[in-house]
Amino acid sequence: DVKVTQSSRYLVKRTGEKVFLECVQDMDHENMFWYRQDPGLGLRLIYFSYDVKMKEKGDIPEGYSVSREKKERFSLILESASTNQTSMYLCASTPSGARSGNTIYFGEGSWLTVV
Amino acid sequence: AQSVAQPEDQVNVAEGNPLTVKCTYSVSGNPYLFWYVQYPNRGLQFLLKYITGDNLVKGSYGFEAEFNKSQTSFHLKKPSALVSDSALYFCAVRPNQAGTALIFGKGTTLSVSS
Repeated sequence: DVKVTQSSRYLVKRTGEKVFLECVQDMDHENMFWYRQDPGLGLRLIYFSYDVKMKEKGDIPEGYSVSREKKERFSLILESASTNQTSMYLCASTPSGARSGNTIYFGEGSWLTVV
Repeated sequence: AQSVAQPEDQVNVAEGNPLTVKCTYSVSGNPYLFWYVQYPNRGLQFLLKYITGDNLVKGSYGFEAEFNKSQTSFHLKKPSALVSDSALYFCAVRPNQAGTALIFGKGTTLSVSS
């Protein structure tokens, strides 16, 4: 089975802190994604990456950056956390983007609270 | 703009009754269509997808979905609901082109009463 692992399930950070959310997948997938989930808004795409060192902005990239130094790992970075970034963050991965009918697999989510 | 609509925030059904969770989309071309389920404090679990072929797609846990191209809909169905089906359901579409991500609806909460 595909496994997408988000190492931190619950985090509490202070306003202004730099926050790293880590995601690792074990199926050699080329594509990886970061979404945030908020009640009534569904899932919104922050960033995605279709290859090592490649990244594309999603719908809401402001206040976030990402890093993809290795194929299996995709990190989401909040340079200076703010209270409006309190949310559930979901990482996902899928094989090669040319076959966009492939299933996208999700991690268990990271609940971030910024105080 | 490309979008997915789930017109009902909540669907309530009695156990044993059939259920339908609605989804319509506005995406150019022939997109791929997905349904995911989310249980409390968990990530999203894949239920089923439509790529091509038969308009009726069968998936996990007895769920199925019907693709209707003319109505641009992809409604999720189950003939007999279980209390354990109570969860948050997301419809998603992915444009049929490389380098694209899933576009999600806002989700529908399904509540099945005993």
